[in-house]
Amino acid sequence: NAGVTQTPKFQVLKTGQSMTLQCAQDMNHEYMSWYRQDPGMGLRLIHYSVGAGITDQGEVPNGYNVSRSTTEDFPLRLLSAAPSQTSVYFCASSYRRTAGGNTEAFFGQGTRLTVV
Amino acid sequence: AQSVTQLDSQVPVFEEAPVELRCNYSSSVSVYLFWYVQYPNQGLQLLLKYLSGSTLVKGINGFEAEFNKSQTSFHLRKPSVHISDTAEYFCAVRKAAGNKLTFGGGTRVLVKP
Repeated sequence: NAGVTQTPKFQVLKTGQSMTLQCAQDMNHEYMSWYRQDPGMGLRLIHYSVGAGITDQGEVPNGYNVSRSTTEDFPLRLLSAAPSQTSVYFCASSYRRTAGGNTEAFFGQGTRLTVV
Repeated sequence: AQSVTQLDSQVPVFEEAPVELRCNYSSSVSVYLFWYVQYPNQGLQLLLKYLSGSTLVKGINGFEAEFNKSQTSFHLRKPSVHISDTAEYFCAVRKAAGNKLTFGGGTRVLVKP
């Protein structure tokens, strides 16, 4: 059981380049989300999905796109990278319904992105 | 919308001393509360959670937290810390009927020998 897997772990981009951060989970979780972590600001929600084919914006969505074609995968796309997107990105998944107390989110190991 | 405030950004503490990390939240509806720990260069790991029932919850690694509804607080405590507890700790809240997690800014704990 791998949990939540993020790739790559590290990435350096030039301003204006595009890339996709991959996230996959094998727990059959309906709910998946992307956060960015910046010093002193905790984790801020970028986008989330409550199931395949359904996505919505979080707190800081500008500059990012997502799609959810399968339950397992939830990639995050940066269309034109900017230095302000230098951050650590975390993908998380959880059950949508909380029966049995399954309320917590499981996190990937993170992707450290630097935009120069 | 809910919000979370962690009152201390950094907490230095000596080994074997107690530690308390403070967390206050605001929400107009029922919420679930969580504490996560992040060790250096790793993802977040659940320490403990409060859903309902007893206001004192125990988690992994000897941590416990107390839910105080009147003060809208969920402070984390450990009676005796180890060097290995050096990490960043995040308080988080989600609506009982929702999925989105809202995080506090984090508290960095540095355990000194």
